Amino acid sequence: AQSVTQLGSHVSVSEGALVLLRCNYSSSVPPYLFWYVQYPNQGLQLLLKYTTGATLVKGINGFEAEFKKSETSFHLTKPSAHMSDAAEYFCAVTSTGGGNKLTFGTGTQLKVEL
Amino acid sequence: NAGVTQTPKFRILKIGQSMTLQCTQDMNHNYMYWYRQDPGMGLKLIYYSVGAGITDKGEVPNGYNVSRSTTEDFPLRLELAAPSQTSVYFCASRVQTGGGNQPQHFGDGTRLSIL
Repeated sequence: AQSVTQLGSHVSVSEGALVLLRCNYSSSVPPYLFWYVQYPNQGLQLLLKYTTGATLVKGINGFEAEFKKSETSFHLTKPSAHMSDAAEYFCAVTSTGGGNKLTFGTGTQLKVEL
Repeated sequence: NAGVTQTPKFRILKIGQSMTLQCTQDMNHNYMYWYRQDPGMGLKLIYYSVGAGITDKGEVPNGYNVSRSTTEDFPLRLELAAPSQTSVYFCASRVQTGGGNQPQHFGDGTRLSIL
């Protein structure tokens, strides 16, 4: 069965600093991987996805993630944090079986400080 | 450009009451999903549907029911509300094509408290 582990339920960075949110996955088949962002009192919005091909994936708002098969990782990065990046971030992997279901990690709350 | 619309946004129920959470999408997506989100737990799949008339259980279906009579609508029913069902509920949809590589699109959620 597929699973996702997000290390660090809370991450705090200074404005302008590097953002690194960790995601490791377990999958019995080649995975499709997603990062979503959730702002307060809103639903989840897609940041980026990895399907096949280029392992470095660029998303919205300056975020990117690199798929590393050997490390079963899909960490999310942004070179310079902005106050508006404060939100909760979820990593997800497509599950096997019908319905193309997603298995989500438990989320990482990102705090950006002045 | 509505996307996925959920109603109501907030609701307080008493133990034992029933209610239906509404979800509708205008993107002609065949696949629809219901999740619950609890603090520190991520999102857990309750039920999903791959088209009108077809539904299946997810990871945490107990205490819930769904139906899918049209492509657009996917209501979630709580028959006997329990405090353990206090949560934020999200509906999502996606296109059928592309296998697992297409993203799901989410509504803004329904915040449900059961007292």
